[in-house]
Amino acid sequence: GAGVSQSPRYKVAKRGQDVALRCDPISGHVSLFWYQQALGQGPEFLTYFQNEAQLDKSGLPSDRFFAERPEGSVSTLKIQRTQQEDSAVYLCASSLVVTSGRPSYNEQFFGPGTRLTVL
Amino acid sequence: GNSVTQMEGPVTLSEEAFLTINCTYTATGYPSLFWYVQYPGEGLQLLLKATKADDKGSNKGFEATYRKETTSFHLEKGSVQVSDSAVYFCALSDPGGSNYKLTFGKGTLLTVNP
Repeated sequence: GAGVSQSPRYKVAKRGQDVALRCDPISGHVSLFWYQQALGQGPEFLTYFQNEAQLDKSGLPSDRFFAERPEGSVSTLKIQRTQQEDSAVYLCASSLVVTSGRPSYNEQFFGPGTRLTVL
Repeated sequence: GNSVTQMEGPVTLSEEAFLTINCTYTATGYPSLFWYVQYPGEGLQLLLKATKADDKGSNKGFEATYRKETTSFHLEKGSVQVSDSAVYFCALSDPGGSNYKLTFGKGTLLTVNP
C-alpha cells in the first residue's frame, strides 16, 4: 500500500528564495506532523495538524515558516526568504488515530523527506 | 524540557556480534518510548515501542526494556546481520497534553560488516 510521500525529494534554493514542500499522508490519516532534521541530528518537531486544523506550531523556528493543510489531506510547508540555516531534511509523518488528552500511543509513519539545500 | 541522549556512533560490528545502543531520557511524566530505524535511502520506520515501565518492546530480534528507575531504553540484539546496517533513533512521546510530539535522540549509525 501507499505510504507517506513527499515532493520534491531534493530542493536547491538560492538564499532569499521561497520554497514549498509537499506531503501526501497515508489516506485516511487524521494527524499530520512536520519535523526538521539537520545534518547529524535527530528530527525536531515543527508543527502538527489534526485534519485541517493546525493545533500546534510551537516548533516552527521563525515566522518565515508556514504550514497548511486546507482540506485535511495534503500538506504544504512553505519557507519564505530561505537562509542557509534552513538547510536540512524536512520530514512529514502521519498517524491514524486522533490523540486525546490522555497519554496514548499512535504510530507515526514517516515519509522519505525532502532534502533542502540553501546556497 | 524533554530530551533523549543516545550513545554516539558510529558503531561498527562484525556479523553475528552482540549489539547494544544506549538510550537515556529526561521527561517530566511517563512517556512512551520508541526506537526508530532509518535504512539508507529510506524514511524512518518504527522498530519497537514500550508504553509503560517494565514493558519490553521487541521486533526483528531487537529488544528494549523501559526502565523507569534508570530512565533508560537501551536497544539490544543478540546477533546482528549486515542488513541491520542503518541509523537508529531513540525517541519519546511528550507525556503531557501534547503527547503526540516525538522527541528524538541524535541517532546512532550502525555498520555491520560480513
